[in-house]
Amino acid sequence: ELKVEQNPLFLSMQEGKNYTIYCNYSTTSDRLYWYRQDPGKSLESLFVLLSNGAVKQEGRLMASLDTKARLSTLHITAAVHDLSATYFCAVHGSGSRLTFGEGTQLTVNP
Amino acid sequence: SQTIHQWPATLVQPVGSPLSLECTVEGTSNPNLYWYRQAAGRGLQLLFYSVGIGQISSEVPQNLSASRPQDRQFILSSKKLLLSDSGFYLCAQPGRSGNTIYFGEGSWLTVV
Repeated sequence: ELKVEQNPLFLSMQEGKNYTIYCNYSTTSDRLYWYRQDPGKSLESLFVLLSNGAVKQEGRLMASLDTKARLSTLHITAAVHDLSATYFCAVHGSGSRLTFGEGTQLTVNP
Repeated sequence: SQTIHQWPATLVQPVGSPLSLECTVEGTSNPNLYWYRQAAGRGLQLLFYSVGIGQISSEVPQNLSASRPQDRQFILSSKKLLLSDSGFYLCAQPGRSGNTIYFGEGSWLTVV
């Protein structure tokens, strides 16, 4: 059974600081997704990572994938208040299943 | 790309009442469809997935069921709701290439 673990689950940081969210998964997968969710809203796709060593960046967010370590990271650079949200990683497993982590609730304080 | 519509957006139902949540897809699409549930402050739990009309796989034992009567329609149902069925229900579908997963706007269900 595929398991996906994120840490930290809660993150409070100051504007301008950097931080990294980690996503570990238990079995081999060919793709990994990062999503953002604002309170009461659906999920917004941020990144999809398809191969070992893949790195994607959008604004202050950068995601990377190490398939050998079964680890993905979401790095936040110079955080701003607008980045406050819950971030999920999701791993594509067998049988068309997509398994999500528990999410990281990020709060960026002025 | 496709657009995923969910209906209704918000629902308050008494314990023991039936449920029907509808998901319809517009635009180019991948054959796979998923139903997820998110309890308050928690991650997403896969409930059902379908690879085609009439083909449903259930991920967890529960009093919910799903049906795929048409290629672009995925329905989540219950005959008798429980308090624990409350949550945010999301329908999802991969993009045509499978590299992106699109989500509907979700349906909020409160069982009272």
